[in-house]
Amino acid sequence: EVQLVQSGAEVKKPGQSLRISCKGSAGSFTKYWISWVRQMPGKGLEWMGNIDPSDSYTKYSPSFQGHVTFSVDKSITTAYLQWSSLKASDTAMYYCARLSGINWFDSWGQGSLVSVSS
Amino acid sequence: QSALTQPASVSGSPGQSITISCTGTSSDVGGYIYVSWYQQHPGKAPKLLMRDVSNRPSGVSSRFSGSKSGNTASLTISGLQAEDEADYYCSSYTSSSTVVFGGGTKLTVL
Repeated sequence: EVQLVQSGAEVKKPGQSLRISCKGSAGSFTKYWISWVRQMPGKGLEWMGNIDPSDSYTKYSPSFQGHVTFSVDKSITTAYLQWSSLKASDTAMYYCARLSGINWFDSWGQGSLVSVSS
Repeated sequence: QSALTQPASVSGSPGQSITISCTGTSSDVGGYIYVSWYQQHPGKAPKLLMRDVSNRPSGVSSRFSGSKSGNTASLTISGLQAEDEADYYCSSYTSSSTVVFGGGTKLTVL
């Protein structure tokens, strides 16, 4: 069974940097793109973008381009979502998900809760 | 890219059937077969229910079915059960090679 295991909850102040992680299964990590999805408190799902773990090619949603950075470390089968300067509006649950087809996500991480407050 | 349009809420009694609509444009839902649906229970990660409009992944109940007509996709749940109470999201591939989700529909089982 494919498993994506995300890092734990984070509490940060505005302006701070943060990197959260998503560890995938060793056998299939580079075969499927990883997507990041945001869910703000009480709101719906928002696609942030994808990263190809095989070559680190990225595709960002225009809504998130320039504010977040995706990366991977193939040697430890881990994908990352990074902010250089957090805002209070970044407070949300963030999910990583495996993109199995053109647009369907068949495996999801458990979510990483990010709270940003002064 | 605007979110796909879903009803905010739907409800039904156990055993009944309900349908959740998902309306987009010719640049997303109407232009591709790449529509998927997800179920999310409170405090849990989403779960894939349907891919490519009407294909159920292994392990998903046959009570769930999907369809599409023009710019609107639909998810139908038949034989409603208490455990179906959850939030449901549609998703579509877009002409910009991005993915867009619907706003979500809260299903209440009466």
